[in-house]
Amino acid sequence: AQTVTQSQPEMSVQEAETVTLSCTYDTSENNYYLFWYKQPPSRQMILVIRQEAYKQQNATENRFSVNFQKAAKSFSLKISDSQLGDTAMYFCAFSQGGSEKLVFGKGTKLTVNP
Amino acid sequence: NAGVTQTPKFRVLKTGQSMTLLCAQDMNHEYMYWYRQDPGMGLRLIHYSVGEGTTAKGEVPDGYNVSRLKKQNFLLGLESAAPSQTSVYFCASSYSRLAKNIQYFGAGTRLSVL
Repeated sequence: AQTVTQSQPEMSVQEAETVTLSCTYDTSENNYYLFWYKQPPSRQMILVIRQEAYKQQNATENRFSVNFQKAAKSFSLKISDSQLGDTAMYFCAFSQGGSEKLVFGKGTKLTVNP
Repeated sequence: NAGVTQTPKFRVLKTGQSMTLLCAQDMNHEYMYWYRQDPGMGLRLIHYSVGEGTTAKGEVPDGYNVSRLKKQNFLLGLESAAPSQTSVYFCASSYSRLAKNIQYFGAGTRLSVL
C-alpha cells in the first residue's frame, strides 16, 4: 500500500522568507501523481501544486515550487516570499496513475509570522 | 458558481441516530468523493462515485452508505451513528479521473456523535 509521510508537524517562517516543507512517499509503481494541498483555517482544501511522476521538470506555480526526487521518493514544497495568507495546514498527497484514490499525509501546520 | 456545497456545516448526533450529508456540485463533474478528516491525520477516502448511479468503496467505508441518484448530488448516510464517526467530512468533485484533473473540495461538515 502506498504511504505518504510528512515529518514536520509544525513549522514557522517570517514574512517574506522562504520555507520548505518535506514529504516522502512509498510506492512500487512508476506511474503516479503527487499533490500539495493547502487547508487554511476556513477548512477549505485548495490544490497548490501537482507533479506528474513521468515529468522530470519540477512543477512551479507562482511562489510555490517543488523539488521532486523520484529515486529518493521525495516531494518537498518550497514557498518563496512567504505571506501571512500562507498560514495553513499543508497536506502532501499521492495518487497512483489510473486510480481515483488520493492518499494523504498527516499534514504540516505552517505559521507565517509578521 | 458555487462550486461544491456541503449541507449541513455542523451537526451533533446521539449514538444510534441516523443522518444524511448532502454534497452538491454545479460544475458538471463526473467524479465525486467523500472523505473524513480526523485530528492529526490527513483526509481518508470513505466512498466515491465515477458517475451518476455508481458508487465504490474507499479506504474507510464501514458504517457509511452513499448514493448518486443525480449527477450533481452525492449523499453520505450514517444509519446508526457511533462516537468513532465524530469527524470533519469533506466532499470533493473532479471532471474525470483524479490523476489528470483537479479535485474541488467543499468547506466540510463538522459532525459530533455523543
